[in-house]
Amino acid sequence: AQSVAQPEDQVNVAEGNPLTVKCTYSVSGNPYLFWYVQYPNRGLQFLLKYITGDNLVKGSYGFEAEFNKSQTSFHLKKPSALVSDSALYFCAVRPTSNDYKLSFGAGTTVTVRA
Amino acid sequence: DAGVTQSPTHLIKTRGQQVTLRCSPKSGHDTVSWYQQALGQGPQFIFQYYEEEERQRGNFPDRFSGHQFPNYSSELNVNALLLGDSALYLCASGFRDREQFFGPGTRLTVL
Repeated sequence: AQSVAQPEDQVNVAEGNPLTVKCTYSVSGNPYLFWYVQYPNRGLQFLLKYITGDNLVKGSYGFEAEFNKSQTSFHLKKPSALVSDSALYFCAVRPTSNDYKLSFGAGTTVTVRA
Repeated sequence: DAGVTQSPTHLIKTRGQQVTLRCSPKSGHDTVSWYQQALGQGPQFIFQYYEEEERQRGNFPDRFSGHQFPNYSSELNVNALLLGDSALYLCASGFRDREQFFGPGTRLTVL
């Protein structure tokens, strides 16, 4: 069973508009949640993580994510998108503190048009 | 401060051959994980090394093996290559069980 789902293969927004990339997970307990971004022919860059505490997590490059335990979601958001935000975004989950494996979603391609 | 580095950048092999990929973790990091990313997919966990031992393994056959050296660098070895092994191989390092930072990857093509 897939642990992480990114329901949208692609998200298209205009520059300056809000950007949301959706992620849901199906892991019980208190998982660790992460967002990474991948640019063409590059490795993954860490954006932010949720371990515990405040449900709104702030990360790099103006991104933030909201953890919702009842909906098992961890959506990535940016209030005002830039053309340079165009990339492939991955949500990942680590089930427990004793499980070191990151399970990734299939990825969402974000295109921000000028 | 250099981040995670991997070598080589690209590699072309033929079926049945063996390959070794190398990874140097970010300074201060002590864990190294390896992931396989097929085209159009998310990365899949191969294994993680900590204190020179394989701490956890994903759903990959024994053809995939690894090693971690005392300086925390790591190697990924793949024997008896199959066409389906063609992928981007990513190394990630971390400190203890904190977030992992990824290298640029090695693109392996099996012909």
